[in-house]
Amino acid sequence: SQQGEEDPQALSIQEGENATMNCSYKTSINNLQWYRQNSGRGLVHLILIRSNEREKHSGRLRVTLDTSKKSSSLLITASRAADTASYFCATALNTNAGKSTFGDGTTLTVKP
Amino acid sequence: DVKVTQSSRYLVKRTGEKVFLECVQDMDHENMFWYRQDPGLGLRLIYFSYDVKMKEKGDIPEGYSVSREKKERFSLILESASTNQTSMYLCASSLRGGYSNQPQHFGDGTRLSIL
Repeated sequence: SQQGEEDPQALSIQEGENATMNCSYKTSINNLQWYRQNSGRGLVHLILIRSNEREKHSGRLRVTLDTSKKSSSLLITASRAADTASYFCATALNTNAGKSTFGDGTTLTVKP
Repeated sequence: DVKVTQSSRYLVKRTGEKVFLECVQDMDHENMFWYRQDPGLGLRLIYFSYDVKMKEKGDIPEGYSVSREKKERFSLILESASTNQTSMYLCASSLRGGYSNQPQHFGDGTRLSIL
Protein backbone atom coordinates (compact mmCIF):
# COMPACT_ATOMS: atom_id res chain seq x y z
CA SER A 1 0.00 0.00 0.00
CA GLN A 2 1.01 3.63 -0.37
CA GLN A 3 3.61 4.95 2.03
CA GLY A 4 1.95 8.36 2.12
CA GLU A 5 -1.81 8.85 2.29
CA GLU A 6 -3.50 12.23 2.15
CA ASP A 7 -6.66 13.17 3.96
CA PRO A 8 -9.21 14.36 3.01
CA GLN A 9 -9.46 13.13 -0.57
CA ALA A 10 -11.35 16.28 -1.53
CA LEU A 11 -11.79 19.66 0.11
CA SER A 12 -13.98 22.56 -0.98
CA ILE A 13 -13.69 25.99 0.66
CA GLN A 14 -14.46 29.65 0.01
CA GLU A 15 -11.83 32.12 -1.05
CA GLY A 16 -10.15 33.66 1.98
CA GLU A 17 -10.58 30.59 4.18
CA ASN A 18 -7.71 28.39 5.31
CA ALA A 19 -7.21 24.91 3.87
CA THR A 20 -5.61 22.08 5.82
CA MET A 21 -4.52 18.79 4.30
CA ASN A 22 -2.99 15.89 6.14
CA CYS A 23 -0.57 13.16 5.19
CA SER A 24 0.11 9.96 7.10
CA TYR A 25 2.88 7.50 6.43
CA LYS A 26 3.96 4.13 7.72
CA THR A 27 7.74 3.85 8.09
CA SER A 28 10.62 6.08 9.13
CA ILE A 29 11.42 8.79 6.65
CA ASN A 30 14.35 10.98 5.70
CA ASN A 31 12.19 13.87 4.57
CA LEU A 32 8.69 14.69 3.41
CA GLN A 33 7.77 16.92 0.50
CA TRP A 34 4.56 18.55 -0.64
CA TYR A 35 3.73 19.03 -4.30
CA ARG A 36 0.92 20.72 -6.16
CA GLN A 37 -0.62 19.65 -9.48
CA ASN A 38 -2.87 21.85 -11.56
CA SER A 39 -5.33 20.02 -13.78
CA GLY A 40 -3.61 18.45 -16.79
CA ARG A 41 -0.13 19.56 -15.73
CA GLY A 42 2.88 18.07 -13.99
CA LEU A 43 3.62 18.34 -10.29
CA VAL A 44 5.32 21.39 -8.85
CA HIS A 45 7.42 21.15 -5.70
CA LEU A 46 6.16 23.35 -2.85
CA ILE A 47 8.15 22.60 0.27
CA LEU A 48 10.48 20.02 1.82
CA ILE A 49 10.63 19.29 5.54
CA ARG A 50 13.34 17.11 7.00
CA SER A 51 12.76 14.48 9.67
CA ASN A 52 14.50 16.63 12.31
CA GLU A 53 12.28 19.67 11.58
CA ARG A 54 8.85 20.23 13.10
CA GLU A 55 7.54 23.20 11.13
CA LYS A 56 8.36 25.10 7.98
CA HIS A 57 6.87 28.14 6.29
CA SER A 58 6.88 29.38 2.73
CA GLY A 59 4.69 32.38 1.96
CA ARG A 60 1.08 31.33 2.69
CA LEU A 61 2.11 27.72 3.21
CA ARG A 62 2.83 26.16 6.57
CA VAL A 63 3.94 22.55 6.89
CA THR A 64 4.23 20.60 10.11
CA LEU A 65 5.78 17.21 10.70
CA ASP A 66 5.13 14.92 13.65
CA THR A 67 7.43 11.92 13.35
CA SER A 68 5.99 10.30 16.50
CA LYS A 69 2.56 10.18 14.84
CA LYS A 70 4.02 9.66 11.37
CA SER A 71 1.99 12.51 9.99
CA SER A 72 2.34 15.89 8.30
CA SER A 73 -0.05 18.68 7.53
CA LEU A 74 -0.09 21.39 4.89
CA LEU A 75 -1.91 24.61 5.73
CA ILE A 76 -2.71 27.16 3.05
CA THR A 77 -3.79 30.43 4.60
CA ALA A 78 -6.08 33.01 3.00
CA SER A 79 -6.78 30.73 0.07
CA ARG A 80 -7.34 32.03 -3.46
CA ALA A 81 -9.19 30.57 -6.43
CA ALA A 82 -5.77 30.03 -8.03
CA ASP A 83 -4.93 27.57 -5.24
CA THR A 84 -7.42 25.13 -6.76
CA ALA A 85 -5.32 22.04 -7.51
CA SER A 86 -4.40 18.61 -6.23
CA TYR A 87 -1.85 18.42 -3.45
CA PHE A 88 0.42 15.45 -2.86
CA CYS A 89 2.78 14.47 -0.12
CA ALA A 90 5.87 12.48 -0.99
CA THR A 91 7.98 10.61 1.50
CA ALA A 92 11.63 9.70 1.10
CA LEU A 93 12.58 6.58 2.99
CA ASN A 94 15.91 6.28 4.74
CA THR A 95 16.77 3.26 2.64
CA ASN A 96 15.63 4.49 -0.76
CA ALA A 97 18.13 7.14 -1.71
CA GLY A 98 16.85 9.35 -4.48
CA LYS A 99 13.32 7.95 -4.63
CA SER A 100 10.12 9.27 -3.12
CA THR A 101 6.74 7.64 -2.70
CA PHE A 102 3.68 9.74 -3.48
CA GLY A 103 0.25 9.57 -1.92
CA ASP A 104 -3.05 9.75 -3.81
CA GLY A 105 -3.47 13.46 -3.25
CA THR A 106 -6.06 15.87 -1.89
CA THR A 107 -8.12 17.76 -4.45
CA LEU A 108 -8.69 21.31 -3.24
CA THR A 109 -11.37 23.53 -4.75
CA VAL A 110 -11.41 27.18 -3.75
CA LYS A 111 -14.63 28.93 -4.72
CA PRO A 112 -14.41 32.62 -5.57
CA ASP B 1 14.37 27.44 -13.93
CA VAL B 2 14.55 23.72 -14.52
CA LYS B 3 12.70 22.60 -17.58
CA VAL B 4 11.60 19.02 -18.10
CA THR B 5 10.15 18.48 -21.55
CA GLN B 6 8.11 15.48 -22.58
CA SER B 7 7.92 14.91 -26.31
CA SER B 8 4.12 14.60 -26.60
CA ARG B 9 1.18 15.84 -24.53
CA TYR B 10 -1.24 13.38 -26.12
CA LEU B 11 -0.51 10.11 -27.88
CA VAL B 12 -2.78 7.42 -29.33
CA LYS B 13 -1.34 4.03 -30.19
CA ARG B 14 -2.64 0.57 -31.00
CA THR B 15 -2.38 -2.63 -28.99
CA GLY B 16 0.86 -4.46 -29.70
CA GLU B 17 2.76 -1.41 -30.93
CA LYS B 18 6.15 -0.50 -29.50
CA VAL B 19 5.80 2.96 -27.96
CA PHE B 20 8.54 5.42 -27.07
CA LEU B 21 8.01 8.27 -24.62
CA GLU B 22 10.84 10.79 -24.51
CA CYS B 23 11.88 13.13 -21.73
CA VAL B 24 14.60 15.78 -21.74
CA GLN B 25 15.81 17.94 -18.84
CA ASP B 26 18.08 20.96 -19.12
CA MET B 27 19.59 21.24 -15.63
CA ASP B 28 22.24 18.53 -15.61
CA HIS B 29 20.32 16.48 -13.05
CA GLU B 30 21.68 13.04 -12.22
CA ASN B 31 18.32 11.47 -11.32
CA MET B 32 15.46 10.91 -13.70
CA PHE B 33 12.15 9.17 -13.11
CA TRP B 34 9.16 7.81 -14.99
CA TYR B 35 5.79 7.59 -13.24
CA ARG B 36 2.31 6.73 -14.30
CA GLN B 37 -0.67 8.44 -12.74
CA ASP B 38 -4.08 6.82 -12.59
CA PRO B 39 -7.23 7.99 -10.76
CA GLY B 40 -7.36 6.53 -7.26
CA LEU B 41 -3.86 5.06 -7.53
CA GLY B 42 -1.76 8.21 -7.28
CA LEU B 43 1.71 8.32 -8.83
CA ARG B 44 3.47 5.01 -9.20
CA LEU B 45 7.15 4.78 -10.04
CA ILE B 46 7.94 2.72 -13.13
CA TYR B 47 11.71 3.21 -13.44
CA PHE B 48 14.40 5.38 -11.94
CA SER B 49 17.82 6.28 -13.34
CA TYR B 50 20.58 7.77 -11.18
CA ASP B 51 23.21 8.10 -13.91
CA VAL B 52 23.81 7.52 -17.60
CA LYS B 53 23.17 3.89 -18.53
CA MET B 54 22.10 3.14 -14.94
CA LYS B 55 18.54 2.18 -14.11
CA GLU B 56 16.56 0.74 -11.27
CA LYS B 57 13.11 -0.82 -11.30
CA GLY B 58 10.35 1.02 -9.54
CA ASP B 59 7.09 -0.37 -8.22
CA ILE B 60 5.50 -1.33 -11.56
CA PRO B 61 8.20 -2.05 -14.19
CA GLU B 62 6.40 -4.93 -15.90
CA GLY B 63 5.75 -4.23 -19.58
CA TYR B 64 8.14 -1.29 -19.64
CA SER B 65 11.82 -0.68 -20.28
CA VAL B 66 13.94 2.46 -20.22
CA SER B 67 16.98 3.89 -21.89
CA ARG B 68 19.38 6.57 -20.70
CA GLU B 69 22.21 7.00 -23.17
CA LYS B 70 22.75 10.70 -22.39
CA LYS B 71 22.43 12.47 -19.07
CA GLU B 72 19.69 14.84 -20.23
CA ARG B 73 17.43 12.24 -21.89
CA PHE B 74 15.42 9.42 -20.37
CA SER B 75 13.18 7.31 -22.58
CA LEU B 76 10.34 5.03 -21.52
CA ILE B 77 9.55 2.15 -23.85
CA LEU B 78 6.36 0.12 -23.91
CA GLU B 79 7.57 -3.06 -25.54
CA SER B 80 4.14 -4.24 -26.72
CA ALA B 81 1.45 -1.76 -25.75
CA SER B 82 -1.66 -3.05 -24.06
CA THR B 83 -4.92 -1.31 -23.14
CA ASN B 84 -4.09 -1.43 -19.41
CA GLN B 85 -1.17 0.88 -20.14
CA THR B 86 -3.54 3.70 -21.04
CA SER B 87 -2.56 6.35 -18.51
CA MET B 88 -0.91 9.70 -17.82
CA TYR B 89 2.87 9.31 -17.85
CA LEU B 90 5.00 11.81 -15.96
CA CYS B 91 8.74 12.29 -16.21
CA ALA B 92 10.74 13.99 -13.47
CA SER B 93 14.34 14.85 -12.67
CA SER B 94 16.30 15.82 -9.57
CA LEU B 95 19.80 16.37 -8.29
CA ARG B 96 21.34 13.28 -6.74
CA GLY B 97 21.56 14.53 -3.14
CA GLY B 98 22.44 11.17 -1.62
CA TYR B 99 20.07 10.22 1.17
CA SER B 100 18.78 13.75 1.43
CA ASN B 101 16.26 13.55 -1.36
CA GLN B 102 16.11 16.56 -3.58
CA PRO B 103 12.91 18.08 -4.96
CA GLN B 104 11.76 16.54 -8.21
CA HIS B 105 10.95 18.66 -11.24
CA PHE B 106 8.19 17.33 -13.44
CA GLY B 107 7.25 17.59 -17.08
CA ASP B 108 3.64 18.29 -18.05
CA GLY B 109 2.92 14.65 -18.77
CA THR B 110 1.95 12.53 -21.76
CA ARG B 111 -1.60 11.28 -21.85
CA LEU B 112 -1.29 7.94 -23.64
CA SER B 113 -4.27 6.03 -24.99
CA ILE B 114 -3.87 2.48 -26.23
CA LEU B 115 -6.71 1.35 -28.50
